[in-house]
Amino acid sequence: KQEVTQIPAALSVPEGENLVLNCSFTDSAIYNLQWFRQDPGKGLTSLLLIQSSQREQTSGRLNASLDKSSGRSTLYIAASQPGDSATYLCAVRRFGGAQKLVFGQGTRLTINP
Amino acid sequence: DAGVIQSPRHEVTEMGQEVTLRCKPISGHDYLFWYRQTMMRGLELLIYFNNNVPIDDSGMPEDRFSAKMPNASFSTLKIQPSEPRDSAVYFCASTFTGGPSTDTQYFGPGTRLTVL
Repeated sequence: KQEVTQIPAALSVPEGENLVLNCSFTDSAIYNLQWFRQDPGKGLTSLLLIQSSQREQTSGRLNASLDKSSGRSTLYIAASQPGDSATYLCAVRRFGGAQKLVFGQGTRLTINP
Repeated sequence: DAGVIQSPRHEVTEMGQEVTLRCKPISGHDYLFWYRQTMMRGLELLIYFNNNVPIDDSGMPEDRFSAKMPNASFSTLKIQPSEPRDSAVYFCASTFTGGPSTDTQYFGPGTRLTVL
């Protein structure tokens, strides 16, 4: 059974810092991995999707990497801003598992002005 | 497009009552998902549909839960009878598998359910 873990559960950093969020998964037979953002009281917004054949994806100040063999992904946020404060979740789709996603518990990020 | 629409946004009910949550997916999307989010268990997939047909309902906690998708633009999740442990935020999401954003799931704002 696929398990997805995100550590730490919460992170607080001053504005302007570069930071890394971590995601690990137990079964390396994945089809893709996604990073989502969730603001309080809101739904999830997809940030980046990395296919199993890719090593990284970039969108603006965000860069996500994938190392399938070690079962790890990182989300790098450059020059953090207070508006980046949110909970970040990663989710994996198992190879052959149709559209089913397994989510981590998320990292609650706070950027202090 | 207005995105995924869910109603109601908040629902407070008493134990034993029937609860119906509603979802309108993004037009043209061929997959629809129902998730439940709690502090203890995080985000869990309950059931998903492809072209209105239920594909995997292994996440539905018990027979008190049922979901339908009578057409491509509407789905319901029903809990009967409701129990306090059903209190959670229920999300609906949809995706389109035929385009460049394949696999990107678009989430609705959620329904916060409180069962007293």
